Amino acid sequence: AQTVTQSQPEMSVQEAETVTLSCTYDTSENNYYLFWYKQPPSRQMILVIRQEAYKQQNATENRFSVNFQKAAKSFSLKISDSQLGDTAMYFCAFMITYTGANSKLTFGKGITLSVRP
Amino acid sequence: EAQVTQNPRYLITVTGKKLTVTCSQNMNHEYMSWYRQDPGLGLRQIYYSMNVEVTDKGDVPEGYKVSRKEKRNFPLILESPSPNQTSLYFCASSFRAVGTEAFFGQGTRLTVV
Repeated sequence: AQTVTQSQPEMSVQEAETVTLSCTYDTSENNYYLFWYKQPPSRQMILVIRQEAYKQQNATENRFSVNFQKAAKSFSLKISDSQLGDTAMYFCAFMITYTGANSKLTFGKGITLSVRP
Repeated sequence: EAQVTQNPRYLITVTGKKLTVTCSQNMNHEYMSWYRQDPGLGLRQIYYSMNVEVTDKGDVPEGYKVSRKEKRNFPLILESPSPNQTSLYFCASSFRAVGTEAFFGQGTRLTVV
């Protein structure tokens, strides 16, 4: 079974600063994806960034980037130039990828990020 | 517009009164799934469907039923709701089962009294 751990329940950052959200996971699988989802007060689940486990290069999407350490089973999200609109709950998630598998997303507990003006 | 639509968005009901939460997607996705979100627990999978007429249990299936008679629809049925099913529910779909992006509905806030 897979587990995803987000040990920080809350974080706060000043607008325009950089913040890093931590995530660790545990699995015996070799082929998988990792995701960060954002959930603003509207409750909508929004995909922020995705990382394929077979890729060594860290994924980036504009101000969002990840630090993927496969051996350490660590997958942190860095948000640069934080904006007020980044205030949300962030979930780290894991998905097995092999044909016929249940594409279940296994989520962490989430972290509430507040961006201060 | 590509989307996953859930209804209703809010529902308050009484213990034991059967209810259905509908989910529909317009992207011709094969894989659909239901999750519940509870504080301090993240999201957990209830049921999933690989394709029409193919459904299976997720991690927390007790007290729920699903059906997949058409590719676009995947309703969640609570035949006898109980207060411990008070939660935020999400439907999600993806193009195929292996590793593609999941699209989520807007969520349904269910309260069982």
